[in-house]
Amino acid sequence: EPEVTQTPSHQVTQMGQEVILRCVPISNHLYFYWYRQILGQKVEFLVSFYNNEISEKSEIFDDQFSVERPDGSNFTLKIRSTKLEDSAMYFCASRAGTRGETQYFGPGTRLLVL
Amino acid sequence: AQKITQTQPGMFVQEKEAVTLDCTYDTSDPSYGLFWYKQPSSGEMIFLIYQGSYDQQNATEGRYSLNFQKARKSANLVISASQLGDSAMYFCAMRPGYSTLTFGKGTMLLVSP
Repeated sequence: EPEVTQTPSHQVTQMGQEVILRCVPISNHLYFYWYRQILGQKVEFLVSFYNNEISEKSEIFDDQFSVERPDGSNFTLKIRSTKLEDSAMYFCASRAGTRGETQYFGPGTRLLVL
Repeated sequence: AQKITQTQPGMFVQEKEAVTLDCTYDTSDPSYGLFWYKQPSSGEMIFLIYQGSYDQQNATEGRYSLNFQKARKSANLVISASQLGDSAMYFCAMRPGYSTLTFGKGTMLLVSP
């Protein structure tokens, strides 16, 4: 069964460093998302991406964040200068579009900023 | 504004019993989708069940069913015949229109032998 994959599963970085989180959505899906979940809290929407551009973003998704689909399969989230409060689980999700309602989530990347 | 409320921080149930996890929502959009996800201790988000706002019948997926009461704006998850592996965090989520998902705070379910 097709699934969303994410790498790395865990990442530890120093405050101020850049990180890139990678995702491979389900191959025929058209809509892509990033969410984050701070430890012990609910899942929060960051950004959605369709047709090679951002379709919606939350207040969390400020200038420090960017997304890219560099090729036909990968979907990346970059945090330019990480802060302590960026420590969270980051989930990528994809949706088929057209008739596809459900967003399927990847296993997540645990980011720890020291 | 969209809002999802899960009032039960934690629930306990014995193996083989049924359990209902509560979820209420608020949206002004006439078209929306309601979802339940399971998050085990390993952290991944597993899709369980979906209900569309115009669906006439309650959704069912194996041991999971969604008790959708549109007038009351509730979308409770019912797990029949609980298993030890059902112990996890459960999140209710809503997608108004074709927007993104808004999640509730979750309910921790513990299934005891």
